[in-house]
Amino acid sequence: AQKVTQAQTEISVVEKEDVTLDCVYETRDTTYYLFWYKQPPSGELVFLIRRNSFDEQNEISGRYSWNFQKSTSSFNFTITASQVVDSAVYFCALSEAGFGNEKLTFGTGTRLTIIP
Amino acid sequence: DAGVTQSPTHLIKTRGQQVTLRCSPKSGHDTVSWYQQALGQGPQFIFQYYEEEERQRGNFPDRFSGHQFPNYSSELNVNALLLGDSALYLCASSLWVLGPIGAKETQYFGPGTRLLVL
Repeated sequence: AQKVTQAQTEISVVEKEDVTLDCVYETRDTTYYLFWYKQPPSGELVFLIRRNSFDEQNEISGRYSWNFQKSTSSFNFTITASQVVDSAVYFCALSEAGFGNEKLTFGTGTRLTIIP
Repeated sequence: DAGVTQSPTHLIKTRGQQVTLRCSPKSGHDTVSWYQQALGQGPQFIFQYYEEEERQRGNFPDRFSGHQFPNYSSELNVNALLLGDSALYLCASSLWVLGPIGAKETQYFGPGTRLLVL
């Protein structure tokens, strides 16, 4: 069975600080996908990134960066120079490869608060 | 390009009643998945529809049922509502893709329907 653990329930940082959100996953498959979604107070889940298990390259998109390490089953998310608009709940999710579009298994989320 | 839309935005029901939630997928998408998100939790997969058939199902009782229409829109029905069914119900759409790992499509979510069961 697949599982995603986000051990950090809540994080608060002062604006412009860097912050890293941790994600650890479990799966028996060798082929899988990892995702990060952002959920602002409005409730809609906003897609941020998708990574497949064969691509361990780290990725940077503006102030966002992701560190995928298969050796430790981790897919961590770093926000550089945080802004108030980054305040939200962030979810890491796992999907196993297979026929068609497989279900997403989510972690419990990390609530990030950026203090002005 | 319209994103995923859901209706209604909020709903209040009493125990034992039945409810129907609706979802229209993002333009160009043909697959709809439903998730239940209880307060303070991550979304839990309910089921997925493609070609008007249920393709996958999570660990939810038969009180939860769904339907997909020829235009790819979908409904989620919950019968005999329980207090524990109070949650945010999220719909996600994607494009059904078969093939190599690199071809898997991302699920995009709607704003959700907040259901309160009293």
